Amino acid sequence: EAQVTQNPRYLITVTGKKLTVTCSQNMNHEYMSWYRQDPGLGLRQIYYSMNVEVTDKGDVPEGYKVSRKEKRNFPLILESPSPNQTSLYFCASSFNRLNEQFFGPGTRLTVL
Amino acid sequence: GENVEQHPSTLSVQEGDSAVIKCTYSDSASNYFPWYKQELGKRPQLIIDIRSNVGEKKDQRIAVTLNKTAKHFSLHITETQPEDSAVYFCAASSSGGSNYKLTFGKGTLLTVNP
Repeated sequence: EAQVTQNPRYLITVTGKKLTVTCSQNMNHEYMSWYRQDPGLGLRQIYYSMNVEVTDKGDVPEGYKVSRKEKRNFPLILESPSPNQTSLYFCASSFNRLNEQFFGPGTRLTVL
Repeated sequence: GENVEQHPSTLSVQEGDSAVIKCTYSDSASNYFPWYKQELGKRPQLIIDIRSNVGEKKDQRIAVTLNKTAKHFSLHITETQPEDSAVYFCAASSSGGSNYKLTFGKGTLLTVNP
């Protein structure tokens, strides 16, 4: 089954404790992206990747890191999480940037 | 960078009526405009998209129109049904230089009343 998976689905953590949210797709997509969704603000792109080893900042990259060492995986790293990073996070992938993005199920992160 | 404005933020219609959601964008280099539907507690899913070389696209009860000169595009839903109730997001993707971001509007909560 073609899908995008994210783990964990829910995470409660404390300020400053490094965490990684994993994202994997099995569709051989080149374009992958991370978004955060906050009430009233819609979906905001954090980082995107055009292909392996090619990543770039989206609109809200501060406080986040990503890597794309393999085509299927695109982890999101929060080196020192803060409460303002409490949000719902979505990973998405598409064949390229001009095609339908398939979203993962989302990760609800709470930083205390 | 790109800025996408979406209106209205909420829209309530009676079943069977039409619904229209409008978006404007700022970057004239944007060339791809998708619309996503997000039901409560679910992930966003594409419902229709349009590229800048096309002025209108239809898929059954859903249509999107694009006016490149005015830099705005709209989603039209006809004969609305209760299952159309959801949050709808427009987005714009630029192709300028090395910028390949996808910028979303803030969303429209559509409620279809039976």
